[in-house]
Amino acid sequence: KQEVTQIPAALSVPEGENLVLNCSFTDSAIYNLQWFRQDPGKGLTSLLLIQSSQREQTSGRLNASLDKSSGRSTLYIAASQPGDSATYLCAVGGLGGTASKLTFGTGTRLQVTL
Amino acid sequence: NAGVTQTPKFQVLKTGQSMTLQCAQDMNHEYMSWYRQDPGMGLRLIHYSVGAGITDQGEVPNGYNVSRSTTEDFPLRLLSAAPSQTSVYFCASSYFGPGQGAHGYTFGSGTRLTVV
Repeated sequence: KQEVTQIPAALSVPEGENLVLNCSFTDSAIYNLQWFRQDPGKGLTSLLLIQSSQREQTSGRLNASLDKSSGRSTLYIAASQPGDSATYLCAVGGLGGTASKLTFGTGTRLQVTL
Repeated sequence: NAGVTQTPKFQVLKTGQSMTLQCAQDMNHEYMSWYRQDPGMGLRLIHYSVGAGITDQGEVPNGYNVSRSTTEDFPLRLLSAAPSQTSVYFCASSYFGPGQGAHGYTFGSGTRLTVV
């Protein structure tokens, strides 16, 4: 059974800092890995999707990497802003027909302070 | 706007009542799924579908039924509500095929359910 772990569970940084969020998974036979953002009381917003054949994806100040063999992914946020404060979720999609089945980590709650 | 629409947004049920959570998508996605989110436990898969007429169980299927008669709709039925089903429910759709931006998951805004 796939298990996804996110470290740290919570993080507080001052505005302007670069930061890294970590995600690890136990089964390397994955179809893809996706990072989401969730604001309090809201739904999930897709940030970056990495296919299993890819090493990284970038969007603006966000960069996500994937090392399938070691079962790890990182989300790098450059020049953090207070608006980045949210919970960040990592989710892994299984192979074949199970690609629609995402296994989620419990998230990293990020607070960016002024 | 294209996306996943969930109704209702909020619902309070009494123990033993039944209800259906609606989910509709207009992106012609093959895959649809239901998750529940509970504090400290993350999102867990309830049921999923890989196409019209095909459904399967996820991690926590007990107490829930689904059907997929059309590509667009994937309702979740609570048969006899229990307080343990108090949660936030999310529906998602996804597509895996050729084309730029054709991959990935789109989530609805959620249904917050309280069972008393």
